[in-house]
This record gives sequence, C-alpha cells and structure tokens, in this order.
Amino acid sequence: AQSVSQHNHHVILSEAASLELGCNYSYGGTVNLFWYVQYPGQHLQLLLKYFSGDPLVKGIKGFEAEFIKSKFSFNLRKPSVQWSDTAEYFCAVNGYSTLTFGKGTMLLVSP
Amino acid sequence: GAVVSQHPSWVICKSGTSVKIECRSLDFQATTMFWYRQFPKQSLMLMATSNEGSKATYEQGVEKDKFLINHASLTLSTLTVTSAHPEDSSFYICSAIQLMNTEAFFGQGTRLTVV
Repeated sequence: AQSVSQHNHHVILSEAASLELGCNYSYGGTVNLFWYVQYPGQHLQLLLKYFSGDPLVKGIKGFEAEFIKSKFSFNLRKPSVQWSDTAEYFCAVNGYSTLTFGKGTMLLVSP
Repeated sequence: GAVVSQHPSWVICKSGTSVKIECRSLDFQATTMFWYRQFPKQSLMLMATSNEGSKATYEQGVEKDKFLINHASLTLSTLTVTSAHPEDSSFYICSAIQLMNTEAFFGQGTRLTVV
C-alpha cells in the first residue's frame, strides 16, 4: 500500500520568509505526485503536479516542488511567502488506482 | 478547471436515519471518483474508490454496509451513510478524475452532523 508523510503539521512564518514543506511517500512503482492547497473556507485546489520529465516543477503563485526519486520525496518550496499563502497544504500520491493524501501542513504567515 | 459539484453542502440528521450525498462532474466524464472523510484538523482519509459501473473498492477499516457507494454513470457517484450515528459526523469530500494520470477535482464537501 502507498503512504504519504508530511513532516510538519504546523508552520508559522513571517512574510518574505522562505518556505519548504517536506513530503515523503512510499510506493514501489511509478507514481504521480501532487500538492494541493486549501485556503480557509474554500475547496481543495491543485498547486502543482509531477508526472514525468523535469523533476523540478513549477506551480501557481510562485510555488515549486522537486521530485527526488532516490529519497522518495516531493518537497514544496516558495522563496518568499505572503500573508495570502496562509492555508493548509496537502501532498498526495497517485499510485495504482488510488490517490493518497498526507496529513496536511497548516501554514500561517504573519504580516 | 473542471467542476465537481457536491450536494448537499451540509446536512443535519437524526441518529438511525440514512443520508445520501451526491457528487457530480459537471463538464467531464469521471472514470473514477474518490470519497474522503476529513476530521477536524486532520487530513483527508480515503474511504473508497469507485469506478463507473463496478463495485467500489473500500479502504481498510471502512464499513461497506454503512457507507454505500454507487457510481452508476460517468458523471454521478453517491455516498449513502446508513443508520447514521453521531460518530459519523464529519466532513465528506468527493473528487473525480477523468483518467488515472490527470489531476483530481474536488467537490466543495458536505458537512454531516448527526444528532
């Protein structure tokens, strides 16, 4: 079975600080990797995804993530966060027929 | 992006009654739909995966007879919580994908409160 581990449950940053959210997964086969974001009171929405090719993927709002196959990791990064990035972030893995989410990381950015 | 509509957005029901939640893909055909449950301050927990025209695949620990899933068409899946109890109170979210290697689109969720 596949699983996803997000290292931090809560992260608090000041505006302009850099962000890195850890995500590790376990799955023996080929995977597709996603980061989703849920802003307060809103639906989950896709931030970025990796299927194949360049392991460094860029998403919306200045976010990027790097797939490191040898480490089974797909960490999310942003060089300079804004107050509007306050949200919950979920890493997800799509292996064979199942989409599995990590427990989520709540990011609070203080102005 | 594609739209997934979930109905109702919230429902309150009495213990022992059944509640049906609908998940519709409005502008695409969903080959696979997922049902998740989200407890406060916790992640999305996958309950089951349903493919159109076949029986749903339930995750370990999820009672098939309690959470009935039907995926009768490429645009509609339903989750019925049977004989609901207060511990079933939660936020239920569906998602739909067109093909296995594309992104999932999420419904707005249903807040179920069993009293």
